[in-house]
Amino acid sequence: GAGVSQSPRYKVTKRGQDVALRCDPISGHVSLYWYRQALGQGPEFLTYFNYEAQQDKSGLPNDRFSAERPEGSISTLTIQRTEQRDSAMYRCASSSTPDTQYFGPGTRLTVL
Amino acid sequence: QKEVEQDPGPLSVPEGAIVSLNCTYSNSAFQYFMWYRQYSRKGPELLMYTYSSGNKEDGRFTAQVDKSSKYISLFIRDSQPSDSATYLCAMRTGRGNKLTFGTGTQLKVEL
Repeated sequence: GAGVSQSPRYKVTKRGQDVALRCDPISGHVSLYWYRQALGQGPEFLTYFNYEAQQDKSGLPNDRFSAERPEGSISTLTIQRTEQRDSAMYRCASSSTPDTQYFGPGTRLTVL
Repeated sequence: QKEVEQDPGPLSVPEGAIVSLNCTYSNSAFQYFMWYRQYSRKGPELLMYTYSSGNKEDGRFTAQVDKSSKYISLFIRDSQPSDSATYLCAMRTGRGNKLTFGTGTQLKVEL
């Protein structure tokens, strides 16, 4: 079937606005992850879910960042009151086992 | 000091060469190890994963783990121009699914 999909692929917003990034995982994958990747760096963990339960949110930088997966499928990462330092590639991954995480194409967020 | 260190490169090799890519780590709790390949402007693509010391082979790729030295390697045999990409190592402890990545090594295989 289809891989992990993310939308929008590109998002430009002004400082102070809220943004919502969406992830649609591979069908049947129990776990869903959010990472952030800066240019020239590896992905940095933000949070992950098993089904609808948020298992670990230790990587969320501050309380402006939140994520949900209400029905155990699609997930939304929300950033409130965006700041320029939030500009990055946000990547979603899903898996059926912890060691086989499959990544989506990412959402490039630019905060002006 | 980062938990996972990886030489960013770039590493340039001729077609057909054997490539060695390496990562070191400082957290002895890491038990599971992966290698990802990332083409420009694409998401990381899982190549291999392993959890035991020793070698694991898959086609032209061999993953090697030395837990006593906290050192992992990926070998690519008969390298091809299509192998040109950034290679990321990743690892996790036995608690939770969080992956910690290296910075990635940029590889270029030239004709």
